[in-house]
Amino acid sequence: GQQLNQSPQSMFIQEGEDVSMNCTSSSIFNTWLWYKQDPGEGPVLLIALYKAGELTSNGRLTAQFGITRKDSFLNISASIPSDVGIYFCAGINTPGGTSYGKLTFGQGTILTVHP
Amino acid sequence: DTGVSQDPRHKITKRGQNVTFRCDPISEHNRLYWYRQTLGQGPEFLTYFQNEAQLEKSRLLSDRFSAERPKGSFSTLEIQRTEQGDSAMYLCASSPVVQHPTFYQQYFGPGTRLTVT
Repeated sequence: GQQLNQSPQSMFIQEGEDVSMNCTSSSIFNTWLWYKQDPGEGPVLLIALYKAGELTSNGRLTAQFGITRKDSFLNISASIPSDVGIYFCAGINTPGGTSYGKLTFGQGTILTVHP
Repeated sequence: DTGVSQDPRHKITKRGQNVTFRCDPISEHNRLYWYRQTLGQGPEFLTYFQNEAQLEKSRLLSDRFSAERPKGSFSTLEIQRTEQGDSAMYLCASSPVVQHPTFYQQYFGPGTRLTVT
């Protein structure tokens, strides 16, 4: 099946630093989503990307849809303590133009922010 | 605007017992998904409903698992004869009926944490 490799697995940073993480796949995806999950809760949608090369921002978060359609990147600028959590990338491949998409998730990046 | 809700949030059961979880999607979302998440992993797709029709099932969904969405609103996921390997977080998500591509955005509930002893 499709696999998403997310890196790094974990990050320990100081408050105020910028963060970068990425997600790569051996298969093409036509939609990329980034989620944040807090312990014991469900993932919360941060950013959705629909076109190769697309760059989208949501506050201090910026994500890009790779040109090859096999990767995506998430950057967080000026990190704050509440950015702590697990960040997941998820891709959708919709063969045949179906109007729904089951998500394939990466393994997650655990972010720790030291005040 | 209420989000996706799931009940119960936690369930502890003994091996061999049956359990049922409920998911209430965001109102007017006609697409509903179930995922399973084990510790240290990302969620894995289990099944998908469009309205009341179950349109796709993962190979992860063994014959002990059954999901329904009888009136196209809430959904239930039942696990029969639970095994210790069923211990996981069961997540429900829904997506809206809007134009492409926004219907790919899936919104998750808080999950049901199942522990099989």
